[in-house]
Amino acid sequence: QKEVEQNSGPLSVPEGAIASLNCTYSDRGSQSFFWYRQYSGKSPELIMFIYSNGDKEDGRFTAQLNKASQYVSLLIRDSQPSDSATYLCAAHLNFGNEKLTFGTGTRLTIIP
Amino acid sequence: ETGVTQSPTHLIKTRGQQVTLRCSSQSGHNTVSWYQQALGQGPQFIFQYYREEENGRGNFPPRFSGLQFPNYSSELNVNALELDDSALYLCASSLGLAGETQYFGPGTRLLVL
Repeated sequence: QKEVEQNSGPLSVPEGAIASLNCTYSDRGSQSFFWYRQYSGKSPELIMFIYSNGDKEDGRFTAQLNKASQYVSLLIRDSQPSDSATYLCAAHLNFGNEKLTFGTGTRLTIIP
Repeated sequence: ETGVTQSPTHLIKTRGQQVTLRCSSQSGHNTVSWYQQALGQGPQFIFQYYREEENGRGNFPPRFSGLQFPNYSSELNVNALELDDSALYLCASSLGLAGETQYFGPGTRLLVL
């Protein structure tokens, strides 16, 4: 079982709709979670981080964390063509081991 | 822009050669992590440096080595290059070790022929 799993997609969403990206993790000791966006040929850029159960909103983006279900999600409201990218979910598995463990990413395409 | 810079942006090497990649961290950050991202995959952790000391290493052979300098910039060295080393190499800087957010540089794309 992979430590962080994402559906690789591609996920196609009409412009203006809500895009929902999901991620599961295997280590219950995981402390904090990050969503990065990566455009083709570019490096990952941080969208949001979350470490408490529940929702965290930032503009059109909402991150959701459910530690009991070991599940993290990212919702993008009012999807725009510029949101088309690969979205990477990453976890800090535990303090003292400071690496980020990434999923393989979900490719999102917003259809105009 | 994250303030993290990497050089060079692209590099072509042949199998068996050695390469050095460089990273300057964001101002005020004392931790640098290196990742390898193969095509279609998520970044894989290589190692991390905190205040010039290695603080954790991923599942990479010893021919991958690194340094961090007093100004917190860093180098990644890869000896005896193999074809599978072709990838995007990412440097990320952060402040401290308490699960802080890591900010990525633009990456170095390495092609090994």
